[in-house]
Amino acid sequence: EIVLTQSPATLSLSPGERATLSCRASQSVSSYLAWYQQKPGQAPRLLIYDASNRATGIPARFSGSGSGTDFTLTISSLEPEDFAVYYCQQRNNWPPAWTFGQGTKVEIK
Amino acid sequence: EVQLLESGGGLVQPGGSLRLSCVASGFTFSNYAMSWVRQAPGKGLEWVSAFSGSGGITYYADSVKGRVTISRDNSKNTLYLQMNSLRAEDTAVYYCAKVEGLLHTLRSYFDYWGQGTLVTVSS
Repeated sequence: EIVLTQSPATLSLSPGERATLSCRASQSVSSYLAWYQQKPGQAPRLLIYDASNRATGIPARFSGSGSGTDFTLTISSLEPEDFAVYYCQQRNNWPPAWTFGQGTKVEIK
Repeated sequence: EVQLLESGGGLVQPGGSLRLSCVASGFTFSNYAMSWVRQAPGKGLEWVSAFSGSGGITYYADSVKGRVTISRDNSKNTLYLQMNSLRAEDTAVYYCAKVEGLLHTLRSYFDYWGQGTLVTVSS
């Protein structure tokens, strides 16, 4: 089963700064990777799918890149509403299962 | 507008049972696979189970296999999760999620989520 490892666990930044989050897969997932944002008390929201495609309604300051085993979520300039936990996710081929990384918390410095 | 509304959570004793429901609206329910994802208090996301839009294909996480049954009623736009032999480690918020992409392919993601229903297993 493929394991997703996110780093760092916590990112302390100020509004306006650039955030770079990493997700590494234990084996290649091609470009089949998604990113989600979760704010306290809320359900997760799909941000990025297929590694680099923004989901409906997601602002352009969010971008995804990577393929194979190394992926990056970049927030070009942090807005106050962007401070949240971010998860990466992939679908394991066999056994069929969907797995998430452990999450990266982006907090206000 | 896509909406997913879960219900059925609550406090249950270890070994007990619970059935969760998720009513969907805003899309053609029968055309899409659906899934349950849970989140233990203060922890990350864990996929639980998935059901194809048609064809009756189901998948389960190893952590719940044999104790949980996913089902759906396309005439009622409703997804279910029957949970038996509940354990303390099943305590979590359970989210219903719509699957974008084909369930049997690597390209499948959760594009809409409900607000979740809390299941607490405790004596």
